Amino acid sequence: DAGVIQSPRHEVTEMGQEVTLRCKPISGHDYLFWYRQTMMRGLELLIYFNNNVPIDDSGMPEDRFSAKMPNASFSTLKIQPSEPRDSAVYFCASSSTGDGYTFGSGTRLTVV
Amino acid sequence: GENVEQHPSTLSVQEGDSAVIKCTYSDSASNYFPWYKQELGKGPQLIIDIRSNVGEKKDQRIAVTLNKTAKHFSLHITETQPEDSAVYFCAASGGNTPLVFGKGTRLSVIA
Repeated sequence: DAGVIQSPRHEVTEMGQEVTLRCKPISGHDYLFWYRQTMMRGLELLIYFNNNVPIDDSGMPEDRFSAKMPNASFSTLKIQPSEPRDSAVYFCASSSTGDGYTFGSGTRLTVV
Repeated sequence: GENVEQHPSTLSVQEGDSAVIKCTYSDSASNYFPWYKQELGKGPQLIIDIRSNVGEKKDQRIAVTLNKTAKHFSLHITETQPEDSAVYFCAASGGNTPLVFGKGTRLSVIA
């Protein structure tokens, strides 16, 4: 398996623009997680899905953030409109029930 | 909810020495405690984990210990090598709840 695949690896955008981050989980995993990593706050859970259903989105910082999982092999995290304080590395991870997580390589987002 | 504290935030050791990273957690219902290693430009990678029915687990040069009474667990790396230099994260979860991560420890192994 190729592991968890995220795209793009790097994204630079202007404030106010829409940003879409993409994730392909490992086949057969029933959980998918979106984390944000910053120096100040570490790894923060934004939202997670079980069998494509959002279970807890309490970590999503504002209504500007939204996430979808239309099928078992694809998820998106969208920020609209983006702001400089959204600059961070965004990770997607997947797992099977009771197992450890496998993380993707992340998307480094810079909002200028 | 769960809160995980990790110490130290930075650690420097001489090559060949041992390194110990400690974490505490708050939720007595937590029963799964993994450790992740993150190298520069990469995502965190699972290196070892322990469940609450086990007090210690070892895999070659790394070991993890768990004290459920005191709610703390530790990562031990023996005979450190330069390639062990990275950021290490502990985490905890209970049942079907998501992992909560510590803030990380930057380990530097000096050759």
